[in-house]
Amino acid sequence: DQQVKQNSPSLSVQEGRISILNCDYTNSMFDYFLWYKKYPAEGPTFLISISSIKDKNEDGRFTVFLNKSAKHLSLHIVPSQPGDSAVYFCAASGRTDSWGKLQFGAGTQVVVTP
Amino acid sequence: DSGVTQTPKHLITATGQRVTLRCSPRSGDLSVYWYQQSLDQGLQFLIQYYNGEERAKGNILERFSAQQFPDLHSELNLSSLELGDSALYFCASSVGGRTSTDTQYFGPGTRLTVL
Repeated sequence: DQQVKQNSPSLSVQEGRISILNCDYTNSMFDYFLWYKKYPAEGPTFLISISSIKDKNEDGRFTVFLNKSAKHLSLHIVPSQPGDSAVYFCAASGRTDSWGKLQFGAGTQVVVTP
Repeated sequence: DSGVTQTPKHLITATGQRVTLRCSPRSGDLSVYWYQQSLDQGLQFLIQYYNGEERAKGNILERFSAQQFPDLHSELNLSSLELGDSALYFCASSVGGRTSTDTQYFGPGTRLTVL
């Protein structure tokens, strides 16, 4: 049962433009959401997170938006840079997942072209 | 560099064998998590330890077991290996892990190949 879904397996964007990655979830008990970036042959690297009490969190070029009513979150990267080319995973945890178990989406491969 | 270390980086073994994967968490982190990433699946949570005690279990097979030692490093033991166990195994750590808002930091992973 996939509770966190990333429906776009890939995204191609030009350098300097905005990258928008989407993530949907089904479990209304999730209250903490994270985005991780993963390069080949490396572990996931934490990017940014958001608690369910907020609807936006910003960190430099990265902004995460949370729409609880739609059970949807998105990651905006502005401006996109070649080094942003990686797989991005959305993850969630919640009050029913005591002790912080993360549920991951399948990932979105981002390619930033010059 | 997340501060989480995993050894070995690569492991090639045969079906039926047993292997041990090792993880050292970031300094000060009390929780260790193990995840499996297979080719056809995303990251799947296996098990979590907090300060030496098992706290949460996911889709971990009975052939797999883990423990966290007093120095907080953790080992994941995989036995009676099957071809389908070939995957990337990631360890993550967090400061606490007693709430859902603890950020987990991942190690570089161990790639296990079962022939």
